[in-house]
Amino acid sequence: EPEVTQTPSHQVTQMGQEVILRCVPISNHLYFYWYRQILGQKVEFLVSFYNNEISEKSEIFDDQFSVERPDGSNFTLKIRSTKLEDSAMYFCASSATGNVLAKNIQYFGAGTRLSVL
Amino acid sequence: GEDVEQSLFLSVREGDSSVINCTYTDSSSTYLYWYKQEPGAGLQLLTYIFSNMDMKQDQRLTVLLNKKDKHLSLRIADTQTGDSAIYFCAESPASGGSYIPTFGRGTSLIVHP
Repeated sequence: EPEVTQTPSHQVTQMGQEVILRCVPISNHLYFYWYRQILGQKVEFLVSFYNNEISEKSEIFDDQFSVERPDGSNFTLKIRSTKLEDSAMYFCASSATGNVLAKNIQYFGAGTRLSVL
Repeated sequence: GEDVEQSLFLSVREGDSSVINCTYTDSSSTYLYWYKQEPGAGLQLLTYIFSNMDMKQDQRLTVLLNKKDKHLSLRIADTQTGDSAIYFCAESPASGGSYIPTFGRGTSLIVHP
């Protein structure tokens, strides 16, 4: 079964450093998403991406965050200057085009645990 | 804004039924979902229900929706140790063309022999 893959599974970084979290969505999917889950809290939406541009973003997704689809397979989340409060599990997801149901059914990766020290 | 609430823990004995409950606030919700997260894995979509349905059954899983009370439940029949995981309730809105789900905090299901 096709799946969304994320690398690395765990990233440790120093406060102020830049990190890039990588995702390979399911190959025929065209909608991509990033979510995060701070330990013990809810899964929170960060950003959605379609047709090479951001289609929706939350208040969390401020200027220190950016997303990119550098080639035909990868989808990345960059955090420019990490803060302690960026420590969380970051999930990538993708969904297909087509009808409303297809767009609503999102497939998630296993996540990258980001630890900012 | 939308909110989804669910209890944090549920402990059941193997072979019993588990019922995980969820409440939501958005009256315009179109899709309601149950996701499962096993240790070290991503969120796996278990099942979903349209807001115009009351019930959906899929093998050992039964989803009940009470739209009036904005209450969603997931019943797992004959719960097995392999069902131990975190179960997330989520809803996505009908309006504005947004497909972004709002998640609950997740219910940890612990199945003991």
